Amino acid sequence: GENVEQHPSTLSVQEGDSAVIKCTYSDSASNYFPWYKQELGKRPQLIIDIRSNVGEKKDQRIAVTLNKTAKHFSLHITETQPEDSAVYFCAASTPSGGYNKLIFGAGTRLAVHP
Amino acid sequence: KAGVTQTPRYLIKTRGQQVTLSCSPISGHRSVSWYQQTPGQGLQFLFEYFSETQRNKGNFPGRFSGRQFSNSRSEMNVSTLELGDSALYLCASSLAGGVNTGELFFGEGSRLTVL
Repeated sequence: GENVEQHPSTLSVQEGDSAVIKCTYSDSASNYFPWYKQELGKRPQLIIDIRSNVGEKKDQRIAVTLNKTAKHFSLHITETQPEDSAVYFCAASTPSGGYNKLIFGAGTRLAVHP
Repeated sequence: KAGVTQTPRYLIKTRGQQVTLSCSPISGHRSVSWYQQTPGQGLQFLFEYFSETQRNKGNFPGRFSGRQFSNSRSEMNVSTLELGDSALYLCASSLAGGVNTGELFFGEGSRLTVL
């Protein structure tokens, strides 16, 4: 069945460094790839997304890249700040029964140290 | 605009009991999805409803069920609870219809503890 693998499971960086989180998906029909951020004790919130007809998308300090051939996509955070500390989830939208369902990765806990 | 509301926020049950969780989506959102969140497992997809119809289902046993009402509010039920059902159950609503996937707006979750 469909599967999304996410690495690393934990990531620790110094403030100002860059952070990269990588995900691979199994269903070549997947066409939408969002990233959600979940701060401690809060609900997940969408931070950026990309569709399969685009290779890269940027929004200020965050960017997402997609390689459809290799079936993997990555989140890049530059100039990290302590408020970037959270759990990040990637997801892939997979066609199923005429509709799409969103399959999430297991999450990456990012810690940014001042 | 009110966000996604889930009730109850916390509950404790014993093995063998059953539980019903409720989710009120953002006004105008017709799609409601449910996810189970456990440490290390991420967000596991349970099911998705749109206009009172279940459109998709994840790989959970039949003890997990759900429904959606005409006002888009949704409930999920877990029968014959097991210790492994202890988790945070998140509901998310979306405007998405058909094959288009849009942003999910999550509730704060219902934290279930099974003793």
